[in-house]
Amino acid sequence: AQSVAQPEDQVNVAEGNPLTVKCTYSVSGNPYLFWYVQYPNRGLQFLLKYITGDNLVKGSYGFEAEFNKSQTSFHLKKPSALVSDSALYFCAVSNRDDKIIFGKGTRLHILP
Amino acid sequence: DTGVSQDPRHKITKRGQNVTFRCDPISEHNRLYWYRQTLGQGPEFLTYFQNEAQLEKSRLLSDRFSAERPKGSFSTLEIQRTEQGDSAMYLCASSYGLAGGSYEQYFGPGTRLTVT
Repeated sequence: AQSVAQPEDQVNVAEGNPLTVKCTYSVSGNPYLFWYVQYPNRGLQFLLKYITGDNLVKGSYGFEAEFNKSQTSFHLKKPSALVSDSALYFCAVSNRDDKIIFGKGTRLHILP
Repeated sequence: DTGVSQDPRHKITKRGQNVTFRCDPISEHNRLYWYRQTLGQGPEFLTYFQNEAQLEKSRLLSDRFSAERPKGSFSTLEIQRTEQGDSAMYLCASSYGLAGGSYEQYFGPGTRLTVT
């Protein structure tokens, strides 16, 4: 069965510092991996995805994520955090069966 | 194209009543998904359609839940005999996908259901 773990309920980062939001996954076969962001009172927004190819994936708003097959991880990163990045972030995985399994989310707080 | 829309945005109902939600996907998308999200959790998959065919239904979905997507366009999710445990945000998403592929899903704003 597919599963996603986001080990941190909350991450606090000072504005301007680099940020990392962690995600590990479990899936049989090659994974499709996604990151979504949810702002207050707004729907989930797609940030980026890994399907195949380069392990470093670039997405919206300056975010990127690194796929590590040996560690079964897909951590979300950004070189310099903005206060406006404060939101709830979800990692998700699919195994070509079209159903996406989401993690429970990590709340990111960027401190001014 | 204005994205995925859902109606209503909020619904308050009494236990035992039936409710129906509507989702209008992005027009060129052939896949439509329903999820449920409770506080502090990520979205949980309920069911999905490719065109008008319902391809998968989660074991989380009891017999009180039914979904349709007539003509492969909009979809409805009906909950019969609502229970307080049904209180949640119901999310709809759509994507364009080919067989064997998994493509990013675009989400609507959700319908927040409160069962009193």
